Amino acid sequence: GQNIDQPTEMTATEGAIVQINCTYQTSGFNGLFWYQQHAGEAPTFLSYNVLDGLEEKGRFSSFLSRSKGYSYLLLKELQMKDSASYLCAVSPTSGGSYIPTFGRGTSLIVHP
Amino acid sequence: DTGVSQDPRHKITKRGQNVTFRCDPISEHNRLYWYRQTLGQGPEFLTYFQNEAQLEKSRLLSDRFSAERPKGSFSTLEIQRTEQGDSAMYLCASSFGTGGQETQYFGPGTRLLVL
Repeated sequence: GQNIDQPTEMTATEGAIVQINCTYQTSGFNGLFWYQQHAGEAPTFLSYNVLDGLEEKGRFSSFLSRSKGYSYLLLKELQMKDSASYLCAVSPTSGGSYIPTFGRGTSLIVHP
Repeated sequence: DTGVSQDPRHKITKRGQNVTFRCDPISEHNRLYWYRQTLGQGPEFLTYFQNEAQLEKSRLLSDRFSAERPKGSFSTLEIQRTEQGDSAMYLCASSFGTGGQETQYFGPGTRLLVL
């Protein structure tokens, strides 16, 4: 099975940098997704990491360490619109189930 | 707009009634997923189709839930004899691929309230 852990809530100031961590324990691992979900809306894709290391995409970057079962999402130059829930999801190994398992999400509150 | 669409967006029903939700995936996507999400939780997998075949179903899914994707395009999710615990957001997602690494695109969800 899969066990995914991420903080419930974080707060940060507009213009700052915030790092949202995700740790996982899984019997099979293919990659890790990060999704953003605004209140009352559907999750939207942010990133997918398969290999160890940092992948940068504009203000958002995602890091993965497969050996440590650890990932983080880094948000730079925070804007008020970044207030949302950030979901970490683990994709299982190929050849079996294709169903990603989602964490509970981290609610990020950005204040002025 | 060629994204995933869901209908209805909101549904209020009385306990014991049956409800049906519809999902129209992105047209070229062969995979379709149904999830349920409650407040403060991540999406919880319910079931998954590849084309018209229902390949996986969560062990948590009771017999009151059934899903179909008759022509490999749109899908319906039916809940029979609804219970108050069924109140949640029901999300549909679709993807295209064969290797398990593809990205899922979510619809806006159907919010169900069972009174």
